[in-house]
Amino acid sequence: DGGITQSPKYLFRKEGQNVTLSCEQNLNHDAMYWYRQDPGQGLRLIYYSQIVNDFQKGDIAEGYSVSREKKESFPLTVTSAQKNPTAFYLCASSAGGRETQYFGPGTRLLVL
Amino acid sequence: GIQVEQSPPDLILQEGANSTLRCNFSDSVNNLQWFHQNPWGQLINLFYIPSGTKQNGRLSATTVATERYSLLYISSSQTTDSGVYFCAVTGAGSYQLTFGKGTKLSVIP
Repeated sequence: DGGITQSPKYLFRKEGQNVTLSCEQNLNHDAMYWYRQDPGQGLRLIYYSQIVNDFQKGDIAEGYSVSREKKESFPLTVTSAQKNPTAFYLCASSAGGRETQYFGPGTRLLVL
Repeated sequence: GIQVEQSPPDLILQEGANSTLRCNFSDSVNNLQWFHQNPWGQLINLFYIPSGTKQNGRLSATTVATERYSLLYISSSQTTDSGVYFCAVTGAGSYQLTFGKGTKLSVIP
């Protein structure tokens, strides 16, 4: 089955820790994206990547980092510099930069 | 950047009723998508519709790009239609999808 997988489904982080969220796609899409959703809100773009080894900051990149070493993988690290990391994180991919985006099931991050 | 406004913010329907959700955007777009977010958080693609009209079963959508709005029609609503409906757009010259705040739909039996 083609699709986007995210892991873990739930993640708990202690203050001061870095955590990495996984996103993998087997759709052979060039572009991948990370979004953050807070309760009752729409999604906001954190980072996106149009091709391997290249990525750009979105609207709320501070406190996050990404890498794109393989076409199918786009991991997101939430660093200790992110002041309010508790949120729902969604990964997406598309064939090209302005094509239909498809979303994974999301990871819920909770800071203890 | 481009602004996206959705209305109404909340909508309660009796099963079987029809509804219209609206999305206004502030500038020219080269991508417009409608999504349904189910109670578990999964975002489901409904339509890719930067212009024109599309239909898929009980759902249809129309985008009038020159007037900067899009409409999502849900006919004969079912309880499984409940959730949040998002409109998202990409402005001309951009690769970023900008989301509205959504319309929360509750369909009651």
